[in-house]
Amino acid sequence: TQLLEQSPQFLSIQEGENLTVYCNSSSVFSSLQWYRQEPGEGPVLLVTVVTGGEVKKLKRLTFQFGDARKDSSLHITAAQPGDTGLYLCAGEGGGTSYGKLTFGQGTILTVHP
Amino acid sequence: KAGVTQTPRYLIKTRGQQVTLSCSPISGHRSVSWYQQTPGQGLQFLFEYFSETQRNKGNFPGRFSGRQFSNSRSEMNVSTLELGDSALYLCASSLALAGVGELFFGEGSRLTVL
Repeated sequence: TQLLEQSPQFLSIQEGENLTVYCNSSSVFSSLQWYRQEPGEGPVLLVTVVTGGEVKKLKRLTFQFGDARKDSSLHITAAQPGDTGLYLCAGEGGGTSYGKLTFGQGTILTVHP
Repeated sequence: KAGVTQTPRYLIKTRGQQVTLSCSPISGHRSVSWYQQTPGQGLQFLFEYFSETQRNKGNFPGRFSGRQFSNSRSEMNVSTLELGDSALYLCASSLALAGVGELFFGEGSRLTVL
């Protein structure tokens, strides 16, 4: 069974601070996706990382996939209140996954003005 | 283009009843996946359908079932409801022919079992 451990579970910071969310597993994933979910809505895909060691940047967000494709991190620079939400990492097992992602438990981020 | 539409958005049932949830995917998407989201377990995969065929299934009891129609719309059914079935049920559609691809989630159907 593939498991993804996400940390921290809760993060409460002030506007302008930096933060990092971690996603770790003992399993290898063919790709790792990061989602953001707001109350009353479904998760929205932020990025997909596929290659070990890959780094992707999306404005103030930086995503990294570990060399061994077992872990990933999300770094937010100069957080803003609009970044508040539930951040989820999700791993795909491979070509026969057919719709199945293994999700981490999520990180609830609150950014105070 | 229109996103993934799930109905109903909210529903309340009692133990022992059954429930049917509906999902209309984005036009052109033939893969539809279902997930259960609870505070304790997070998001857990239920099943995936592609062209009316179930291609993958998660570790849920047989009380959870689904189907997909020729227009790619999907339904999931939960029979003999238990208190623990209270959750947000999310449907996601994708263009992917294999693997997962980019999932587009609906807003979910929030089920409360009393």
